[in-house]
Amino acid sequence: SQELEQSPQSLIVQEGKNLTINCTSSKTLYGLYWYKQKYGEGLIFLMMLQKGGEEKSHEKITAKLDEKKQQSSLHITASQPSHAGIYLCGAPGGTSYGKLTFGQGTILTVHP
Amino acid sequence: DAMVIQNPRYQVTQFGKPVTLSCSQTLNHNVMYWYQQKSSQAPKLLFHYYDKDFNNEADTPDNFQSRRPNTSFCFLDIRSPGLGDAAMYLCATNPGQGAREQYFGPGTRLTVT
Repeated sequence: SQELEQSPQSLIVQEGKNLTINCTSSKTLYGLYWYKQKYGEGLIFLMMLQKGGEEKSHEKITAKLDEKKQQSSLHITASQPSHAGIYLCGAPGGTSYGKLTFGQGTILTVHP
Repeated sequence: DAMVIQNPRYQVTQFGKPVTLSCSQTLNHNVMYWYQQKSSQAPKLLFHYYDKDFNNEADTPDNFQSRRPNTSFCFLDIRSPGLGDAAMYLCATNPGQGAREQYFGPGTRLTVT
């Protein structure tokens, strides 16, 4: 079965700093999703990547999928307190329709 | 706004007392999922419905059941909750027909006393 490993597990940064979160898969990725979760709430979709080398940006968040399609990174530029939360990567897989297997999450704290 | 709604947001139940969690959606999506997320862990898929077809994950305990009476509603029934079932329960939807993205509700946090 596919496993996703996220690093770091937690991250504390000062407002305005850049940061990167990584997601590494044990198998080739046929799609990679990034979600954000605030404590005690549901998941908010950020971006989806499908092709090797693909890069997408939304506001100050950029996600990339490497050429070999086994690793993705999420980069936040000039972080703000509103970026704080748990970032989860998810990948489709398994026999269930649309099933997503998630990484364990990265907890981001941004100090003002 | 079209959305996924979960009720209640917080649920407290006693050990062994059946409990039902509710999910509704206004997106008219074909697929509905239930995930269990324990503290500091990744969400884990329990089961899903594609229209009326129920699909159980192999490692989902028998204690967990689900009902989908119509397109809009899906319920998670826990027949005899144990302390280990305390978790956040997330409902998600997907349009089906090849669509990939899942839309999540805010979750229900279940406490078992």
